[in-house]
Amino acid sequence: GQNIDQPTEMTATEGAIVQINCTYQTSGFNGLFWYQQHAGEAPTFLSYNVLDGLEEKGRFSSFLSRSKGYSYLLLKELQMKDSASYLCAVRDRRDMRFGAGTRLTVKP
Amino acid sequence: GAVVSQHPSRVICKSGTSVKIECRSLDFQATTMFWYRQFPKQSLMLMATSNEGSKATYEQGVEKDKFLINHASLTLSTLTVTSAHPEDSSFYICSARDPGQSGLAGKSSYEQYFGPGTRLTVT
Repeated sequence: GQNIDQPTEMTATEGAIVQINCTYQTSGFNGLFWYQQHAGEAPTFLSYNVLDGLEEKGRFSSFLSRSKGYSYLLLKELQMKDSASYLCAVRDRRDMRFGAGTRLTVKP
Repeated sequence: GAVVSQHPSRVICKSGTSVKIECRSLDFQATTMFWYRQFPKQSLMLMATSNEGSKATYEQGVEKDKFLINHASLTLSTLTVTSAHPEDSSFYICSARDPGQSGLAGKSSYEQYFGPGTRLTVT
């Protein structure tokens, strides 16, 4: 099975940087995904990591350490529209499982 | 990019009735689709994996006789909630893999594209 842990809630200020951590335990690791989900909407893909290191895409970056079972999503230059839930998801050989999500609130 | 649609987007039904939710991959063929359920302020919980032309694989604790899944074609999977009860009220989301996306823009062929979700309310 899989255990995926991420903080329940975070608050940050507009224009700042925030890091959302995710730790996981799984057998047959086959990739880690980050999704953004606004209330009442389906998740949208943000990033994918399968090798160790940092993947950067605009204001969002994602880091993976497979040996530590650890990932983080880094959001820079926060905007009000970034207020959402951020879901960490881990794929093994069979399927993909989601963490409980981190609800990020961006304040002016 | 790959698009997945769901219908209906919102449905209200009476307790004891059945509701069918459709999930379609619009511009790709999906041999595998996934059905999730999400309660308010909780994460997505995988209910079942739907495989075209074969029986769905249900997660532990999900009643296969209550949540009927049919994946009759490469672009359509349906979830039928039979004899719905108020506790079945939830946000149901489907997703599909696009095997044709392998290596595209750094994404994995394992990326799942999500439908917009169906909000079911059972009264």
